Amino acid sequence: QKEVEQDPGPLSVPEGAIVSLNCTYSNSAFQYFMWYRQYSRKGPELLMYTYSSGNKEDGRFTAQVDKSSKYISLFIRDSQPSDSATYLCAMYNTNAGKSTFGDGTTLTVKP
Amino acid sequence: DAGITQSPRHKVTETGTPVTLRCHQTENHRYMYWYRQDPGHGLRLIHYSYGVKDTDKGEVSDGYSVSRSKTEDFLLTLESATSSQTSVYFCAIRESQGRTEAFFGQGTRLTVV
Repeated sequence: QKEVEQDPGPLSVPEGAIVSLNCTYSNSAFQYFMWYRQYSRKGPELLMYTYSSGNKEDGRFTAQVDKSSKYISLFIRDSQPSDSATYLCAMYNTNAGKSTFGDGTTLTVKP
Repeated sequence: DAGITQSPRHKVTETGTPVTLRCHQTENHRYMYWYRQDPGHGLRLIHYSYGVKDTDKGEVSDGYSVSRSKTEDFLLTLESATSSQTSVYFCAIRESQGRTEAFFGQGTRLTVV
């Protein structure tokens, strides 16, 4: 079993929809939780990271962490065609000094 | 992007040949990482470095070696390339005071024939 499981997708939504992207994890040593966005044939770019349980908002993006359930989500409000990309969740273990990534969810937002 | 340059960007090589990929950063960050990305496997850590001449193995290190003789350069070598090493390779750097691999390079697309 993988330490990080990400909803596989792909997801296709109309412009303006609310998108929910989800990951679960099994390692309690993960302390930081990140979301990356990766456009086709580009490197991943960090969208958001959070340390504690709860919500963190940045514009149209909200990252949610529930450590008790070992579950994280990324919500995208008012989705735009420019949001079409692969989204990767990642969990960082400070003790080990490295991150573990989910396999990614590919999102397409149709105009 | 963010001061990271990977070279080459694309390479086709033959089975059994050695290949070296280079990651160069201009940010003077301490931590550097090499990942490979394959369909169905996400990003998998190959090797990482936490300082000059300080390196450690990741989860898929077999067949790979690394070197870091200067802060700005992290080299990944495929000692004898195999078809299973056909992949997209990403370098990443982490801010010394931060907690995440904040910046990735553009990737190197390697094909082993």
